[in-house]
Amino acid sequence: DAGITQSPRHKVTETGTPVTLRCHQTENHRYMYWYRQDPGHGLRLIHYSYGVKDTDKGEVSDGYSVSRSKTEDFLLTLESATSSQTSVYFCAISRLGMGEQYFGPGTRLTVT
Amino acid sequence: TQLLEQSPQFLSIQEGENLTVYCNSSSVFSSLQWYRQEPGEGPVLLVTVVTGGEVKKLKRLTFQFGDARKDSSLHITAAQPGDTGLYLCAGPNFGNEKLTFGTGTRLTIIP
Repeated sequence: DAGITQSPRHKVTETGTPVTLRCHQTENHRYMYWYRQDPGHGLRLIHYSYGVKDTDKGEVSDGYSVSRSKTEDFLLTLESATSSQTSVYFCAISRLGMGEQYFGPGTRLTVT
Repeated sequence: TQLLEQSPQFLSIQEGENLTVYCNSSSVFSSLQWYRQEPGEGPVLLVTVVTGGEVKKLKRLTFQFGDARKDSSLHITAAQPGDTGLYLCAGPNFGNEKLTFGTGTRLTIIP
């Protein structure tokens, strides 16, 4: 299994509070991705990174920001959480940008 | 944007039966990947098909890539409860560094 962890695994927070999710990899893969998964919508890309300090938006990036200050860590921040951001968030890594992806275990976020 | 449609969306069958799920697009993909996701976990890569017409077997699972590289199928022989899960196909977008994921087929095998 690819060495990829996510923290926290579960979080409940209130509307309007900032939230940061962490993805950590031990594989030294160049590419890292944040997805959200909701019933009826499948996996949707939020942001991705193609190197340290190199990031780009996905299809549902509004309300989210990311940072990657070192190869192994990719942070996803919800600046001011809203109920519509209640979801399961997955991080994925890939050696090649369009290649196979390896997913973390997910973070279940509930915004009340 | 390249889209991938999977069918059926839901499938529930008895243990021991055979089944096929489909992944279709109007666009050509250089390759397609299949993932399985179990409840509470992240998707896990099963296989990548690269060549048009390619067939790959993984124990009781048979994956096929269409000749025109616009579609793929997954056939499971003698389904078992351990096959239960969400099956996702995915393909790389030309010109960028992202994958397009299909809508998924949620498979339930009844003991």
